[in-house]
Amino acid sequence: LAKTTQPISMDSYEGQEVNITCSHNNIATNDYITWYQQFPSQGPRFIIQGYKTKVTNEVASLFIPADRKSSTLSLPRVSLSDTAVYYCLVVANTNAGKSTFGDGTTLTVKP
Amino acid sequence: NAGVTQTPKFQVLKTGQSMTLQCAQDMNHEYMSWYRQDPGMGLRLIHYSVGAGITDQGEVPNGYNVSRSTTEDFPLRLLSAAPSQTSVYFCASSPTDRAGHSPLHFGNGTRLTVT
Repeated sequence: LAKTTQPISMDSYEGQEVNITCSHNNIATNDYITWYQQFPSQGPRFIIQGYKTKVTNEVASLFIPADRKSSTLSLPRVSLSDTAVYYCLVVANTNAGKSTFGDGTTLTVKP
Repeated sequence: NAGVTQTPKFQVLKTGQSMTLQCAQDMNHEYMSWYRQDPGMGLRLIHYSVGAGITDQGEVPNGYNVSRSTTEDFPLRLLSAAPSQTSVYFCASSPTDRAGHSPLHFGNGTRLTVT
């Protein structure tokens, strides 16, 4: 499975848009890109998943360029409650459960 | 639905003791897995199962056993606890093992300390 690289930490302020970029240079043709959010003392929670171009749901958008070697998670108008660790995973279409979590990006939202 | 339920929430063991961490899901998910998370780090896959009666090793399987006799339950056994197994353990499940349809649903973890 492709290794992912994310920034270790990011700071933002309430109301701003936050973009977290993940590099996955060795992504395979059938791999998907998935993002999870984790709060302290809780298990990770699925945010969004995509294969190419743009995916949007009620909490986030995921932008994937044509070469798929990177992806960007976009959180619109963050609040203090968005302070968490965000993980980018490259997931094989089959045997998806063998996803490898990197160390994630710690996002701190300040008032 | 309760989702993925892990018990106990906290456990302290002495070196050499054995114990079983319980995981149950009520979503009829085929796929279940166990991860461990050490402080400040990501999750590492210990064992996983794609259905009842089928298990396989993940990234860090040594010192742990699993079984999957029912769809609902996926217990993790520590055979002889060591301080290196001090960690937070998460169980996860998903409907199938196909990425396009199967985000993982996680429990809230078991915090294990081995002294």
